[in-house]
Amino acid sequence: ILNVEQSPQSLHVQEGDSTNFTCSFPSSNFYALHWYRWETAKSPEALFVMTLNGDEKKKGRISATLNTKEGYSYLYIKGSQPEDSATYLCAPHPGNTGKLIFGQGTTLQVKP
Amino acid sequence: DVKVTQSSRYLVKRTGEKVFLECVQDMDHENMFWYRQDPGLGLRLIYFSYDVKMKEKGDIPEGYSVSREKKERFSLILESASTNQTSMYLCASSGTAYYGYTFGSGTRLTVV
Repeated sequence: ILNVEQSPQSLHVQEGDSTNFTCSFPSSNFYALHWYRWETAKSPEALFVMTLNGDEKKKGRISATLNTKEGYSYLYIKGSQPEDSATYLCAPHPGNTGKLIFGQGTTLQVKP
Repeated sequence: DVKVTQSSRYLVKRTGEKVFLECVQDMDHENMFWYRQDPGLGLRLIYFSYDVKMKEKGDIPEGYSVSREKKERFSLILESASTNQTSMYLCASSGTAYYGYTFGSGTRLTVV
């Protein structure tokens, strides 16, 4: 089983704080990495898919970077808002299979 | 938009019952997946299917079976429900793996 580690497991910040989380994964046989946001009572929603070493993606106040050689990705949220409260999942996609392998997630709580 | 529909949002069943969780997608996706999500354990893959009548075991298939008679429908079956199968169950589908998954809204199953 591919070992995917996300840290921290949970995070509580004040509105306006910037924050970041880490996803670590084995660098061998890498194909792509996906980030999802999962709000309570909703379906997980795709944020980014990244494939190239050094990739950086941005969506509003959220951005992500990828290092495939060392096997990690960072997700940044600038100026967190209460609506950013959710669990953020990373999922590397090994090259030899159509399956995504999910990390445990980082649960973010933003206090107004 | 792709829609993945799970038949029930909440379900309560008794120990020993046979339980069917239904999932339907409307975008002609080849791949469909069943996951369960438990606190601290992330999303764990139970079964997946790459095509009609094809199925493969995921990481935790014990106590479960699946059926895919039509491309759009993927059913998860608990042959004899047990209390340790109390969990959130998520269905997902995908076309090409690069674009990741589209998830259903989940079924929270409680076995009493």
